[in-house]
Amino acid sequence: QVQLQQWGAGLLKPSETLSLTCAVYGGSFSGYYWSWIRQPPGKGLEWIGEMNHSGSTNLNPSLKSRVTISLDMSKNQFSLKLSSVTAADTAVYYCARGGRSMDVWGRGTTVTVSS
Amino acid sequence: EIVMTQSPATLSVSPGESATLSCRASQSINSNLAWYQQKPGQAPRLLIYGASSRATGFPARFSGSGSGTEFTLTISSLQSEDLAVYYCQQYHNWLPYTFGQGTKLEIK
Repeated sequence: QVQLQQWGAGLLKPSETLSLTCAVYGGSFSGYYWSWIRQPPGKGLEWIGEMNHSGSTNLNPSLKSRVTISLDMSKNQFSLKLSSVTAADTAVYYCARGGRSMDVWGRGTTVTVSS
Repeated sequence: EIVMTQSPATLSVSPGESATLSCRASQSINSNLAWYQQKPGQAPRLLIYGASSRATGFPARFSGSGSGTEFTLTISSLQSEDLAVYYCQQYHNWLPYTFGQGTKLEIK
């Protein structure tokens, strides 16, 4: 049973860099895309981007200039960095397995951007 | 960007009845559509993929249909545990993958 455990700083000031990590337990890291999705308070879901074990990356054009997704195959972990955050980046951030449809999700990390 | 539009925004259904949720794509996405169930305070959970294939753990009373631009999620014999927001998502075009705004299913 694959499980995703995610962590990272929950409170940021404007202009700082959001940094989140997701660890994959109980399953293969290779052969899948690994994704990040976010959900602003009371709103719907927004796909941020995905990366596979070969380093192939697809990013939402609206966030592409600020987003970095990376993988650490030795630790079965993948990470998200979002630079120059503003209040509009306040959201619950989820990691998930799969590009296209996402079949395993982390529990989410609440990130608040406030001065 | 492909825009996904869900209707209705809120649906109230009595236990034992059926619920029909709609999702429309702004252009054809073939069958590249997923549905997710998000219960209050929880992460989304994959419910349907490929427009009509049911994900692991969901009973047969959940069914998906459609192709092209019009899609439907049907939940029969509604139970109180089905209270959730349901999202559709297209993965036909990853520039970017996009979600509908969600349908909130209420149990009368």
